[in-house]
Amino acid sequence: AQSVTQLGSHVSVSEGALVLLRCNYSSSVPPYLFWYVQYPNQGLQLLLKYTSAATLVKGINGFEAEFKKSETSFHLTKPSAHMSDAAEYFCAVSVAAQKLVFGQGTRLTINP
Amino acid sequence: KAGVTQTPRYLIKTRGQQVTLSCSPISGHRSVSWYQQTPGQGLQFLFEYFSETQRNKGNFPGRFSGRQFSNSRSEMNVSTLELGDSALYLCASSPGTENIQYFGAGTRLSVL
Repeated sequence: AQSVTQLGSHVSVSEGALVLLRCNYSSSVPPYLFWYVQYPNQGLQLLLKYTSAATLVKGINGFEAEFKKSETSFHLTKPSAHMSDAAEYFCAVSVAAQKLVFGQGTRLTINP
Repeated sequence: KAGVTQTPRYLIKTRGQQVTLSCSPISGHRSVSWYQQTPGQGLQFLFEYFSETQRNKGNFPGRFSGRQFSNSRSEMNVSTLELGDSALYLCASSPGTENIQYFGAGTRLSVL
């Protein structure tokens, strides 16, 4: 069965520092992978998606993710953290048309 | 273009009651999916409707049901509410031809 694992339920970085949120997937077929962000009391906003067109995917708000098949990873990065990046981030894999399986989420805290 | 609209935003019910949640997808989108989000279980897929037909279903009891209307609007019903049904219920819409979902702000259901 396809699944994703997010390493670290809570990540804390300083403003201006590199953000790295880890996601590993399990899939027997080429996966469709996504990163979503959730701000308090809001729904999920799509940051970026991987659909096999390119291994390095650029998203909104300066985030990007690299698909590494050999490591079954799809880590999310941002070169310089901003206070407004504080939120919960979810990695997800599409297991069927319009059916997503999500990781447990990583709460990102930004220290001033 | 308006986003996914979920109503109501907040709901308080008592055990044993039933509840109906509504979701209006993005204009032109024919697929609507529902997810339950709880602190303990995270984000879990409930079901997906496309052109008024349920295409996918998650592992939830029969108390959870849904339907989709000809205008693509969808409703989710939970009968005989239990305390454990307290959660944020998220609706997502998709064109159906593209493997990507856009989420609404959710309905927060509290069961007392």
